[in-house]
Amino acid sequence: LAKTTQPISMDSYEGQEVNITCSHNNIATNDYITWYQQFPSQGPRFIIQGYKTKVTNEVASLFIPADRKSSTLSLPRVSLSDTAVYYCLVVQTPSGDKLTFGTGTRLAVRP
Amino acid sequence: DGGITQSPKYLFRKEGQNVTLSCEQNLNHDAMYWYRQDPGQGLRLIYYSQIVNDFQKGDIAEGYSVSREKKESFPLTVTSAQKNPTAFYLCASLSGSYGYTFGSGTRLTVV
Repeated sequence: LAKTTQPISMDSYEGQEVNITCSHNNIATNDYITWYQQFPSQGPRFIIQGYKTKVTNEVASLFIPADRKSSTLSLPRVSLSDTAVYYCLVVQTPSGDKLTFGTGTRLAVRP
Repeated sequence: DGGITQSPKYLFRKEGQNVTLSCEQNLNHDAMYWYRQDPGQGLRLIYYSQIVNDFQKGDIAEGYSVSREKKESFPLTVTSAQKNPTAFYLCASLSGSYGYTFGSGTRLTVV
């Protein structure tokens, strides 16, 4: 399983765009990049998944360069409710393979 | 609504006591997982099951046991052999296309 590295914490203000970058240097050809969001005392929630280039949904965008050794989760115009921990994972799908969660990035959004 | 139901939300265990955490899903997912989360930490995999009547140890299986007699149910027993069981326990199931779905967790405290 590819190891991921992401910043431990980030601060932002309401209305700003937040970009969280994750490095995964040993990503394999069949691996996908997936991001989860976790609020205190809740289970993580799936945000977005991609393989290459750019993926966008109603919550976020995911940018993946051609070499796929990193990815950037972009949250447009954050609000206080976006304060959470964000996890970057590299997975093989579809499969029942086990996933490894690191400590994630703790995002604090201030008024 | 489809989802994962974990119960109880809070659980207190006396020293030397076994306790069982419930996890039920109505998503028709084959794969189910148990994770443990300590304060400020990421998730660590305890056990997982890819099919009924089969399960595998995760990274921290010692002191825990599971069963998978039905597709919908994957209970976790925390035995007296687990010396530091106080933690937040999360159950998840996997959709190959859309990532993990997590329950709302059980917070276990040793008293």
